Amino acid sequence: AQSVTQLGSHVSVSEGALVLLRCNYSSSVPPYLFWYVQYPNQGLQLLLKYTSAATLVKGINGFEAEFKKSETSFHLTKPSAHMSDAAEYFCAVSKNTGFQKLVFGTGTRLLVSP
Amino acid sequence: KAGVTQTPRYLIKTRGQQVTLSCSPISGHRSVSWYQQTPGQGLQFLFEYFSETQRNKGNFPGRFSGRQFSNSRSEMNVSTLELGDSALYLCASSSGQGGPNEKLFFGSGTQLSVL
Repeated sequence: AQSVTQLGSHVSVSEGALVLLRCNYSSSVPPYLFWYVQYPNQGLQLLLKYTSAATLVKGINGFEAEFKKSETSFHLTKPSAHMSDAAEYFCAVSKNTGFQKLVFGTGTRLLVSP
Repeated sequence: KAGVTQTPRYLIKTRGQQVTLSCSPISGHRSVSWYQQTPGQGLQFLFEYFSETQRNKGNFPGRFSGRQFSNSRSEMNVSTLELGDSALYLCASSSGQGGPNEKLFFGSGTQLSVL
């Protein structure tokens, strides 16, 4: 079965600091991996996705993630945090290109302090 | 282009009742998926409908059911509500065609509270 593990339920950074949110996956087949963001009282918004085209994936709002097969990781990074980045972030995996049936991690809440 | 619309936004029910949630996908999208989000279990896939047929199903009891209409709008029904059904129910739509350009668009959800 496919799964993803997000390390750290909460991550705190200062404005302007590097953001690093960790995600490790478990999959018996080449996975499709995603990062979603959820702002309070809203649905999920896709930040970026990995579909095997390139290992370094650039997304919206300055976020990027690198697929590392040897480490089974897909960590999300942003060079400089902004106050508006404060939200909950979810890593997800899908085993097919339909992407409708996603398996989500438990989420990481990003806190950004001035 | 209008986004995914879920109604109602909030719902309060009592144990044993049933409830119906509605989702209108983005125009042209034929796939609608439903997810349950709770603090304890996180985000879990319920089911997906494509062209009025259930195409994928998660591991939820039969009390959870859904359907899709010819205009792609979808409804989700939960019968004999339990306290544990209190959750944010999210709907997502996509073209349903698959492929690397496929993308899910989520609605803001329906917050269901079971008392």
